[in-house]
Amino acid sequence: SAVISQKPSRDICQRGTSLTIQCQVDSQVTMMFWYRQQPGQSLTLIATANQGSEATYESGFVIDKFPISRPNLTFSTLTVSNMSPEDSSIYLCSAGTTGTGELFFGEGSRLTVL
Amino acid sequence: GESVGLHLPTLSVQEGDNSIINCAYSNSASDYFIWYKQESGKGPQFIIDIRSNMDKRQGQRVTVLLNKTVKHLSLQIAATQPGDSAVYFCAENWGANSKLTFGKGITLSVRP
Repeated sequence: SAVISQKPSRDICQRGTSLTIQCQVDSQVTMMFWYRQQPGQSLTLIATANQGSEATYESGFVIDKFPISRPNLTFSTLTVSNMSPEDSSIYLCSAGTTGTGELFFGEGSRLTVL
Repeated sequence: GESVGLHLPTLSVQEGDNSIINCAYSNSASDYFIWYKQESGKGPQFIIDIRSNMDKRQGQRVTVLLNKTVKHLSLQIAATQPGDSAVYFCAENWGANSKLTFGKGITLSVRP
């Protein structure tokens, strides 16, 4: 299994600002993903974080709004840019190893935009 | 597009009874399924998984059943305990990229 640490665990931000969320995995993994979970809802995949290259975004998510970095196998960041109240959500980092299928999740970063 | 969905939004059970949580999936190409448990304020926690070449898998107090004919997945929890109260999600995956699609989620409430 993998232990995933995210920070910040929560934050309150002003409209128009940007926030970067960090994700650290305690072991080398091949796959890292970022999900969003709006209040009372399920998880929606934002993008696949690719090591050393641009992330692969799902429909409805764009790099300008959610830039992602993954400089190595155990670390990734997600930035929520030019925030609006609609961006208030839980952002979850997940990681796994190709071929195993199983994904582990961090505790999430709870973002409130005023 | 194709999606994973759940039949019921909430389930209330008596402590000690067995719980059954159901999930329908629509992507016939899905070959791997996972059940996650999410407690309030926490990230999803892996419970049990099953591959498409199996129809049943058992863990500790939990059993997952897969019916590929009707594209149905279920999670059975034996002797439900208060600590089982949480939101449960089914998720599906196809191919080797580990990218999961999640169902809507169902809240399990255990009555003492």
